[in-house]
Amino acid sequence: AQKITQTQPGMFVQEKEAVTLDCTYDTSDQSYGLFWYKQPSSGEMIFLIYQGSYDEQNATEGRYSLNFQKARKSANLVISASQLGDSAMYFCAMREAPGGGATNKLIFGTGTLLAVQP
Amino acid sequence: KAGVTQTPRYLIKTRGQQVTLSCSPISGHRSVSWYQQTPGQGLQFLFEYFSETQRNKGNFPGRFSGRQFSNSRSEMNVSTLELGDSALYLCASSDDYRTSSYEQYFGPGTRLTVT
Repeated sequence: AQKITQTQPGMFVQEKEAVTLDCTYDTSDQSYGLFWYKQPSSGEMIFLIYQGSYDEQNATEGRYSLNFQKARKSANLVISASQLGDSAMYFCAMREAPGGGATNKLIFGTGTLLAVQP
Repeated sequence: KAGVTQTPRYLIKTRGQQVTLSCSPISGHRSVSWYQQTPGQGLQFLFEYFSETQRNKGNFPGRFSGRQFSNSRSEMNVSTLELGDSALYLCASSDDYRTSSYEQYFGPGTRLTVT
C-alpha cells in the first residue's frame, strides 16, 4: 500500500537559517508525484512544490527545493533562509497513479510543525 | 486567476442533521477532490470528481456523497451527522493529471462543527 512517512512531528529553526523537513514514501508504482504543502493556522493548504517520479532534476520554487532521492524513496523539503512567516504545518503528499491510471487522489503524511524563531 | 473557493467557511450543525458544502474550482480545472482533516485521523481522501463523474472514492460511509456540475463546481453532502464528522473539509482543484499543470490547489476549507 502506498504510504507517506514524516518522522518529525515538530521542528525549530532560527530565522535566516535553512531547514530540511523529512519525507519518505512507499509505493510499488513507477509513475507517481510528490507534493509539499504548507498549512498555516488559518487552515488553508498552500501548494509549495511538486516532483514527478520521472523528473531527473530536483524541483525548486524560490526558497523551496525538493531533495528527491528515488532509490531511497525520500523527498525532503529544504527551506532556505527561513522567515517568521514560514511557521506552519508542512505536509508531504503523494499522488497515486496505479498503473498510470487516472486519479488526482493524494495520500498525506502526518505533517511536521515548523516553528521559526527570531 | 481566482483561487478555489469554498462555502460556507464555518458551519455548526446538530447530530442527525445533514449538511451540504460547496466548492468552486479554479477556472479551467476539471478535477475536484475532497478531503477531511481531523486531529486524530489527519488528512483523508473522500472522493474525486472529473467531468461530472466520480473517479475515485475513499473509505467513508455512504452518508458522505458528492457530485460535480457541468461548470465543474462540486458539492459534498453528509447526511445524519455524527459528532465524529466535526472536521475541516478541504476541496482541491486540479487540471487533469495528463496535462502539464497537475498541481493541486486547495480552497480555504469549511470548518464543520457537529454538536
